[in-house]
Amino acid sequence: KAGVTQTPRYLIKTRGQQVTLSCSPISGHRSVSWYQQTPGQGLQFLFEYFSETQRNKGNFPGRFSGRQFSNSRSEMNVSTLELGDSALYLCASSLVAGGLNEQFFGPGTRLTVL
Amino acid sequence: KNEVEQSPQNLTAQEGEFITINCSYSVGISALHWLQQHPGGGIVSLFMLSSGKKKHGRLIATINIQEKHSSLHITASHPRDSAVYICAVGLGEKLTFGTGTRLTIIP
Repeated sequence: KAGVTQTPRYLIKTRGQQVTLSCSPISGHRSVSWYQQTPGQGLQFLFEYFSETQRNKGNFPGRFSGRQFSNSRSEMNVSTLELGDSALYLCASSLVAGGLNEQFFGPGTRLTVL
Repeated sequence: KNEVEQSPQNLTAQEGEFITINCSYSVGISALHWLQQHPGGGIVSLFMLSSGKKKHGRLIATINIQEKHSSLHITASHPRDSAVYICAVGLGEKLTFGTGTRLTIIP
């Protein structure tokens, strides 16, 4: 079974631009969660989607948004990029929603904002 | 105060040593996860537990719900165990993460 895939793996943007990251979950998994990892803040929960609906959202500004498609693939979008958005963005999939379930992580997208 | 505290932050040990990493949390949780992150960023889920003890190969994870504490043990440590180990707790349906323990095993 193929694992979780994320594209692109690396991305360089400038302040003010917007970016879209993609995550394809393990086949059959309906939940996709997104996380931001920075050296200063560590891993932080962004949001979770299940069956095309956002179930939970972390404490991030509205510039961070996401969506999930009917095939469970998910995208996250960051608008008006700031230098502090430079981070490793990880997605994880699980069979069902919620932190009660084992999560399978993708390799991440490393975003650099200049 | 962070909801999830890990100790130690850094740990260096000789190959073969028994390793213990601790995780304490301050609120009621639905489940606790232990994750491993190698250089380059990839994260692997090692354990998910809500009570008792689980074992997988040389790794053992325990949790004490009353004391709000979990430990990850590695027996007969090996240089390939060098990684960052992260504790995460399920608060409702969201995961909150500890800051991680950087483990280095010297041959």
